[in-house]
Amino acid sequence: RKEVEQDPGPFNVPEGATVAFNCTYSNSASQSFFWYRQDCRKEPKLLMSVYSSGNEDGRFTAQLNRASQYISLLIRDSKLSDSATYLCVVLLGGSYGKLTFGQGTILTVHP
Amino acid sequence: EPEVTQTPSHQVTQMGQEVILRCVPISNHLYFYWYRQILGQKVEFLVSFYNNEISEKSEIFDDQFSVERPDGSNFTLKIRSTKLEDSAMYFCASSESGPVTYEQYFGPGTRLTVT
Repeated sequence: RKEVEQDPGPFNVPEGATVAFNCTYSNSASQSFFWYRQDCRKEPKLLMSVYSSGNEDGRFTAQLNRASQYISLLIRDSKLSDSATYLCVVLLGGSYGKLTFGQGTILTVHP
Repeated sequence: EPEVTQTPSHQVTQMGQEVILRCVPISNHLYFYWYRQILGQKVEFLVSFYNNEISEKSEIFDDQFSVERPDGSNFTLKIRSTKLEDSAMYFCASSESGPVTYEQYFGPGTRLTVT
């Protein structure tokens, strides 16, 4: 089983749509969770950390379910500029900063 | 907004040559990292570094790789004898404090091409 697994997509949605991405992780000792976005041939950019209580940042909502080892990202009112690859990222407990990345989910928002 | 910078943006080298990739982390950050991404693949951890020591390294980070903080601002990754399979994008990252809870911020990357 992959350490961090994401649906690779691609997701093609119209502007204004709501889209949700899911991610599962295999190691129950995982401690910290993040969503990054990556534009083509660019660096990963931190979108948001994911907390057990769930958190929201504008149009973006992240949820964590530790029991199911599942993380989600919801994007509301999609913009053209949201087109990117979304990376689910996990940090193992006891690790000294070793982030484990999923393969990424490709999102294309069209007019 | 402070950011991580990396030089060069693109490095072409011949197999067997040594390369040094340079990074300037965000100034008040204490933890530094290198990752790589082979084209079309996921981002992979190489090494974490704190207080002038390696904190953790992956299986990829073998004896051909080394890291150094030669002064108060730079953080370097050296590959002693490059192989074709070292061709990848190399990202430097830094975090403000403890690696467990603090977010890592990535530089723009150095594209390494080994011919």
